[in-house]
Amino acid sequence: EIVLTQSPATLSLSPGERATLSCRASQSIASYLAWYQQKPGQAPRLLIYDVSIRATGIPARFSGSGSGTDFTLTISSLEPEDSAIYYCQQRGSWPPLTFGGGTKVEIK
Amino acid sequence: QEQLVESGGGVVQPGGSLRLSCAASGFTFSSYAMFWVRQAPGKGLEWTAVISYDGSNKYYADSVKGRVTIFRDNAKNTLYLHMNRLTTEDTAVYFCARDLFDFRSGSLGYGYFDLWGQGSLVAVSS
Repeated sequence: EIVLTQSPATLSLSPGERATLSCRASQSIASYLAWYQQKPGQAPRLLIYDVSIRATGIPARFSGSGSGTDFTLTISSLEPEDSAIYYCQQRGSWPPLTFGGGTKVEIK
Repeated sequence: QEQLVESGGGVVQPGGSLRLSCAASGFTFSSYAMFWVRQAPGKGLEWTAVISYDGSNKYYADSVKGRVTIFRDNAKNTLYLHMNRLTTEDTAVYFCARDLFDFRSGSLGYGYFDLWGQGSLVAVSS
Protein backbone atom coordinates (compact mmCIF):
# COMPACT_ATOMS: atom_id res chain seq x y z
CA GLU A 1 0.00 0.00 0.00
CA ILE A 2 1.29 3.44 -0.92
CA VAL A 3 1.42 5.84 2.01
CA LEU A 4 1.01 9.56 1.37
CA THR A 5 2.47 12.01 3.90
CA GLN A 6 1.29 15.60 3.82
CA SER A 7 3.03 18.60 5.33
CA PRO A 8 2.64 20.86 7.09
CA ALA A 9 -0.31 19.75 9.18
CA THR A 10 -1.53 23.33 9.43
CA LEU A 11 -0.74 26.42 7.43
CA SER A 12 -1.80 29.84 8.68
CA LEU A 13 -1.50 32.65 6.15
CA SER A 14 -3.05 35.98 5.28
CA PRO A 15 -5.24 36.74 2.26
CA GLY A 16 -3.13 37.35 -0.83
CA GLU A 17 -0.24 35.22 0.39
CA ARG A 18 1.03 32.15 -1.40
CA ALA A 19 0.33 28.71 0.09
CA THR A 20 2.55 25.74 -0.63
CA LEU A 21 1.32 22.29 0.42
CA SER A 22 3.43 19.16 0.17
CA CYS A 23 2.55 15.51 -0.40
CA ARG A 24 5.17 12.76 -0.37
CA ALA A 25 4.53 9.19 -1.53
CA SER A 26 6.22 6.13 -0.02
CA GLN A 27 7.08 4.94 -3.52
CA SER A 28 6.84 6.34 -7.01
CA ILE A 29 3.35 7.02 -8.29
CA ALA A 30 4.49 8.65 -11.54
CA SER A 31 2.02 11.49 -12.16
CA TYR A 32 -1.03 9.84 -10.66
CA LEU A 33 -1.88 12.27 -7.91
CA ALA A 34 -4.93 14.36 -7.16
CA TRP A 35 -5.77 17.12 -4.68
CA TYR A 36 -9.11 17.70 -2.97
CA GLN A 37 -10.46 20.55 -0.89
CA GLN A 38 -12.85 19.86 1.97
CA LYS A 39 -14.68 22.49 3.98
CA PRO A 40 -16.41 21.71 7.28
CA GLY A 41 -19.59 19.71 6.86
CA GLN A 42 -19.09 19.30 3.13
CA ALA A 43 -17.96 16.58 0.80
CA PRO A 44 -14.50 16.90 -0.71
CA ARG A 45 -14.12 18.70 -4.03
CA LEU A 46 -11.67 17.62 -6.71
CA LEU A 47 -9.23 20.43 -7.45
CA ILE A 48 -6.37 18.90 -9.42
CA TYR A 49 -5.75 15.49 -11.00
CA ASP A 50 -2.76 13.87 -12.65
CA VAL A 51 -0.54 16.28 -10.70
CA SER A 52 -1.36 19.46 -12.59
CA ILE A 53 -4.68 19.31 -14.45
CA ARG A 54 -7.30 21.55 -12.89
CA ALA A 55 -10.74 20.02 -12.59
CA THR A 56 -13.72 21.75 -14.14
CA GLY A 57 -14.45 25.13 -12.61
CA ILE A 58 -11.34 25.31 -10.44
CA PRO A 59 -9.76 28.78 -10.32
CA ALA A 60 -6.36 29.31 -11.88
CA ARG A 61 -4.83 30.28 -8.52
CA PHE A 62 -4.71 26.55 -7.75
CA SER A 63 -1.83 24.71 -9.39
CA GLY A 64 -0.04 21.42 -8.89
CA SER A 65 3.42 20.13 -9.65
CA GLY A 66 5.75 17.23 -9.01
CA SER A 67 6.36 13.66 -10.11
CA GLY A 68 7.51 10.36 -8.70
CA THR A 69 7.28 10.78 -4.95
CA ASP A 70 7.18 14.52 -4.26
CA PHE A 71 4.23 16.73 -5.10
CA THR A 72 3.09 20.27 -4.37
CA LEU A 73 -0.21 22.11 -4.40
CA THR A 74 0.20 25.86 -4.69
CA ILE A 75 -2.45 28.46 -4.06
CA SER A 76 -0.93 31.54 -5.61
CA SER A 77 -2.93 34.21 -3.79
CA LEU A 78 -5.12 33.07 -0.92
CA GLU A 79 -8.75 34.06 -0.78
CA PRO A 80 -10.83 33.84 2.41
CA GLU A 81 -12.88 31.01 0.88
CA ASP A 82 -9.75 28.88 0.53
CA SER A 83 -9.88 28.08 4.23
CA ALA A 84 -10.26 24.29 4.22
CA ILE A 85 -8.48 20.97 4.62
CA TYR A 86 -6.61 19.79 1.54
CA TYR A 87 -6.00 16.11 0.83
CA CYS A 88 -3.79 14.45 -1.73
CA GLN A 89 -4.78 11.06 -3.20
CA GLN A 90 -2.92 8.59 -5.37
CA ARG A 91 -4.00 6.18 -8.08
CA GLY A 92 -0.50 5.14 -9.08
CA SER A 93 -0.88 1.68 -7.61
CA TRP A 94 -4.35 0.56 -6.70
CA PRO A 95 -6.31 -0.91 -5.15
CA PRO A 96 -6.10 0.44 -2.60
CA LEU A 97 -6.55 4.09 -3.44
CA THR A 98 -4.99 6.08 -0.63
CA PHE A 99 -5.21 9.61 0.75
CA GLY A 100 -2.78 11.74 2.68
CA GLY A 101 -3.63 12.86 6.18
CA GLY A 102 -4.52 16.38 5.09
CA THR A 103 -3.22 19.93 5.50
CA LYS A 104 -5.44 22.49 7.16
CA VAL A 105 -5.18 25.95 5.62
CA GLU A 106 -6.24 28.76 7.90
CA ILE A 107 -6.73 32.31 6.68
CA LYS A 108 -5.66 34.92 9.24
CA GLN B 1 -27.82 18.60 -12.65
CA GLU B 2 -25.52 15.76 -11.74
CA GLN B 3 -26.19 14.55 -8.22
CA LEU B 4 -25.55 11.76 -5.76
CA VAL B 5 -27.78 11.42 -2.70
CA GLU B 6 -26.96 8.94 0.05
CA SER B 7 -29.44 7.46 2.49
CA GLY B 8 -29.66 4.64 5.02
CA GLY B 9 -27.28 5.82 7.69
CA GLY B 10 -28.08 5.80 11.37
CA VAL B 11 -27.17 4.34 14.73
CA VAL B 12 -26.48 0.61 14.87
CA GLN B 13 -25.25 -1.65 17.64
CA PRO B 14 -21.87 -3.36 17.44
CA GLY B 15 -22.22 -6.56 15.45
CA GLY B 16 -25.18 -5.18 13.55
CA SER B 17 -25.79 -4.61 9.86
CA LEU B 18 -26.72 -1.65 7.72
CA ARG B 19 -27.27 -0.92 4.05
CA LEU B 20 -26.44 2.44 2.54
CA SER B 21 -27.92 3.63 -0.73
CA CYS B 22 -26.70 6.26 -3.16
CA ALA B 23 -29.17 7.53 -5.75
CA ALA B 24 -27.63 9.03 -8.87
CA SER B 25 -29.26 11.50 -11.23
CA GLY B 26 -28.32 13.85 -14.04
CA PHE B 27 -25.76 11.57 -15.70
CA THR B 28 -25.48 8.11 -17.25
CA PHE B 29 -24.91 6.14 -14.06
CA SER B 30 -24.28 2.87 -15.89
CA SER B 31 -21.21 4.35 -17.62
CA TYR B 32 -19.19 5.04 -14.49
CA ALA B 33 -17.30 3.10 -11.86
CA MET B 34 -18.49 4.11 -8.41
CA PHE B 35 -16.83 4.29 -5.02
CA TRP B 36 -17.50 4.52 -1.33
CA VAL B 37 -15.17 6.69 0.73
CA ARG B 38 -15.55 7.08 4.47
CA GLN B 39 -14.43 9.63 7.02
CA ALA B 40 -14.35 8.92 10.74
CA PRO B 41 -15.25 11.89 12.97
CA GLY B 42 -12.43 14.43 12.90
CA LYS B 43 -10.28 12.17 10.72
CA GLY B 44 -9.14 11.96 7.13
CA LEU B 45 -10.58 10.24 4.08
CA GLU B 46 -10.42 6.47 3.60
CA TRP B 47 -11.26 4.73 0.35
CA THR B 48 -13.58 1.84 1.18
CA ALA B 49 -14.78 0.09 -1.97
CA VAL B 50 -15.06 0.33 -5.76
CA ILE B 51 -17.39 -1.30 -8.26
CA SER B 52 -16.96 -1.30 -12.01
CA TYR B 53 -19.47 0.41 -14.27
CA ASP B 54 -21.24 -2.88 -15.00
CA GLY B 55 -20.92 -4.38 -11.53
CA SER B 56 -18.61 -7.18 -12.65
CA ASN B 57 -15.54 -6.13 -10.65
CA LYS B 58 -15.30 -5.07 -7.03
CA TYR B 59 -12.47 -4.30 -4.63
CA TYR B 60 -12.43 -3.47 -0.95
CA ALA B 61 -10.13 -1.88 1.57
CA ASP B 62 -8.56 -4.40 3.92
CA SER B 63 -10.32 -2.70 6.84
CA VAL B 64 -13.74 -3.79 5.55
CA LYS B 65 -12.98 -6.83 3.40
CA GLY B 66 -15.22 -9.77 4.25
CA ARG B 67 -17.73 -7.59 6.10
CA VAL B 68 -18.86 -5.22 3.37
CA THR B 69 -20.43 -5.70 -0.06
CA ILE B 70 -20.69 -3.05 -2.73
CA PHE B 71 -23.29 -3.53 -5.45
CA ARG B 72 -25.29 -1.52 -7.90
CA ASP B 73 -28.57 -1.55 -9.78
CA ASN B 74 -28.03 0.29 -13.04
CA ALA B 75 -31.72 0.08 -13.88
CA LYS B 76 -32.47 2.04 -10.71
CA ASN B 77 -29.40 4.32 -10.93
CA THR B 78 -28.49 3.32 -7.42
CA LEU B 79 -25.30 2.26 -5.65
CA TYR B 80 -25.35 0.29 -2.41
CA LEU B 81 -23.05 -0.64 0.42
CA HIS B 82 -24.11 -3.47 2.69
CA MET B 83 -22.16 -3.64 5.93
CA ASN B 84 -22.12 -6.54 8.39
CA ARG B 85 -20.50 -7.20 11.76
CA LEU B 86 -20.10 -3.50 12.37
CA THR B 87 -17.67 -2.27 15.01
CA THR B 88 -17.08 1.13 16.57
CA GLU B 89 -14.19 1.51 14.12
CA ASP B 90 -16.77 1.71 11.31
CA THR B 91 -18.31 4.87 12.73
CA ALA B 92 -17.93 7.43 9.95
CA VAL B 93 -19.59 9.55 7.34
CA TYR B 94 -19.86 7.43 4.23
CA PHE B 95 -19.64 9.23 0.90
CA CYS B 96 -20.49 7.74 -2.46
CA ALA B 97 -18.43 9.13 -5.31
CA ARG B 98 -18.24 8.87 -9.06
CA ASP B 99 -15.11 8.27 -11.06
CA LEU B 100 -13.73 11.20 -13.00
CA PHE B 101 -13.97 9.40 -16.34
CA ASP B 102 -16.45 6.93 -17.78
CA PHE B 103 -15.87 3.25 -18.63
CA ARG B 104 -13.60 4.11 -21.56
CA SER B 105 -10.81 4.76 -19.04
CA GLY B 106 -11.16 1.20 -17.75
CA SER B 107 -13.84 -0.91 -16.09
CA LEU B 108 -12.79 0.18 -12.57
CA GLY B 109 -12.45 3.78 -13.65
CA TYR B 110 -9.51 6.11 -13.55
CA GLY B 111 -9.32 6.31 -9.79
CA TYR B 112 -10.19 9.91 -8.96
CA PHE B 113 -13.50 11.19 -7.61
CA ASP B 114 -15.20 14.12 -9.29
CA LEU B 115 -18.77 13.94 -8.00
CA TRP B 116 -19.60 13.26 -4.36
CA GLY B 117 -22.74 12.77 -2.36
CA GLN B 118 -23.41 14.75 0.79
CA GLY B 119 -22.48 11.83 3.00
CA SER B 120 -24.42 9.52 5.32
CA LEU B 121 -23.45 9.11 8.97
CA VAL B 122 -23.11 5.62 10.36
CA ALA B 123 -22.69 5.54 14.13
CA VAL B 124 -21.89 2.20 15.72
CA SER B 125 -22.69 2.36 19.39
CA SER B 126 -24.30 0.32 22.13
